[in-house]
Amino acid sequence: EVQLVESGGGLVQPGGSLRLSCAASGLTFSNYAMNWVRQAPGKGLEWVSTISGSGGSRYYADSVKGRFTGSRDNSKNTLYLQMSSLRAEDTAVYYCAKEGSSRHMDVWGKGTTVTVSS
Amino acid sequence: DIVMTQSPDSLAVSLGERATINCKSSQSVLYSSNNENYLAWYQQKPGQPPKLLIYWASTRESGVPDRFSGSGSGTDFTLTISRLQAEDVAVYYCQQSYSTITFGQGTRLEIK
Repeated sequence: EVQLVESGGGLVQPGGSLRLSCAASGLTFSNYAMNWVRQAPGKGLEWVSTISGSGGSRYYADSVKGRFTGSRDNSKNTLYLQMSSLRAEDTAVYYCAKEGSSRHMDVWGKGTTVTVSS
Repeated sequence: DIVMTQSPDSLAVSLGERATINCKSSQSVLYSSNNENYLAWYQQKPGQPPKLLIYWASTRESGVPDRFSGSGSGTDFTLTISRLQAEDVAVYYCQQSYSTITFGQGTRLEIK
């Protein structure tokens, strides 16, 4: 069974930084692109980033471009999201999700909560 | 970016009845090279992550009950729940992956 477990969320001040992790198990991790998707309190889903299986291709939403950096360590089966220059509007539950054949997301973690507040 | 617009924003349906949710994209999500629509549907229950129901507009994910079905092509899509059960109460999202991934705003489904 494929499992994804996010960690690293917490309370951070505006302008601060945080690194999220997503540990994967039950799959050949390097074979799959991975996504970060976030959900602000009471709001809908917002795609944040996609990283190819090799890590060589990375894509970002305009709302986070230049501030967030996605990476992965395939030897550790772990996906990362380095977030900097955080803003109040970055407050959300952050999910990692495995990408399926049509770029849909077929497995999701339970999420980790990021709160940006002074 | 492609804008995904769902309708209605919320609906209430009686148990055992049919629920229909619509999703319209601002441009076609049909990929001509493989004739597939890059459109997926997700279900999200309170306090839980989203769950994939349908991909390629009409392919049901493994383990999803057959009362869930997807249809449509190009820019207009529909998620149908044929016989509503209590456990189907959730928010439903469509998502396109033809270009930069975008989601619809969500449709809240309740029991009447």
